[in-house]
Amino acid sequence: DTQMTQSPSSVSASVGDRVTITCRTSQDINNWLAWYQQKPGRAPKLLISAASSLQSGVPSRFSGSGSGTHFTLTISSLQPEDFATYYCQQANMSPDTFGQGTKVDMK
Amino acid sequence: EVQLVESGGGLVQPGGSLRLSCAASGFTFHNHWVSWVRQAPGKGLEWVAHINPDGNLKNYVDSAKGRFTISRDNAKNSVNLQMSSLNSADAATYYCARTAAVDRGLDLWGQGTLVTVSS
Repeated sequence: DTQMTQSPSSVSASVGDRVTITCRTSQDINNWLAWYQQKPGRAPKLLISAASSLQSGVPSRFSGSGSGTHFTLTISSLQPEDFATYYCQQANMSPDTFGQGTKVDMK
Repeated sequence: EVQLVESGGGLVQPGGSLRLSCAASGFTFHNHWVSWVRQAPGKGLEWVAHINPDGNLKNYVDSAKGRFTISRDNAKNSVNLQMSSLNSADAATYYCARTAAVDRGLDLWGQGTLVTVSS
């Protein structure tokens, strides 16, 4: 199985801050990496797929980058509605494992 | 409306069985893989299983192999997850999710159905 290491597990930030979340995989996943946002009591929402492809309707302050085994999600200027938990997921080879999650909360 | 709606969750005793269903509407269901993803209370997301559009390719997380069976009925636009030998580790909210046709992201999710395992 492909192991996922997501960091940090939590980050405290202020509105306007730049936030970066990292996801490392135990093997090359051919860029089949997705990022999700989840708010309490809600289903996850797909933000980015194939490492860097922004989903329709997702604000451009979200961006994804990386390749091979190292990927990042960046929020360029944190907005109040961005306080949430973020997960990476690899879809290269089953089981399609998720990272442990990163909670972004208010400083 | 494009949506997925799960049903079938509830309280089950340890060792018992439960069948979850996911009803799709508003899109061409038979073009998409469908996954089940679960989330234990206060925990992260765990991918459980998925099934291909034809229903002849299925994969499972190790903890589900031999106990869970995913299936689909394209005529009824539905996917099921039959779960047996349930234990406390299976207690979670179960989401069904559609895989995007091109880039493998889970681009449409249901609202989830809660499974509680307790005597």
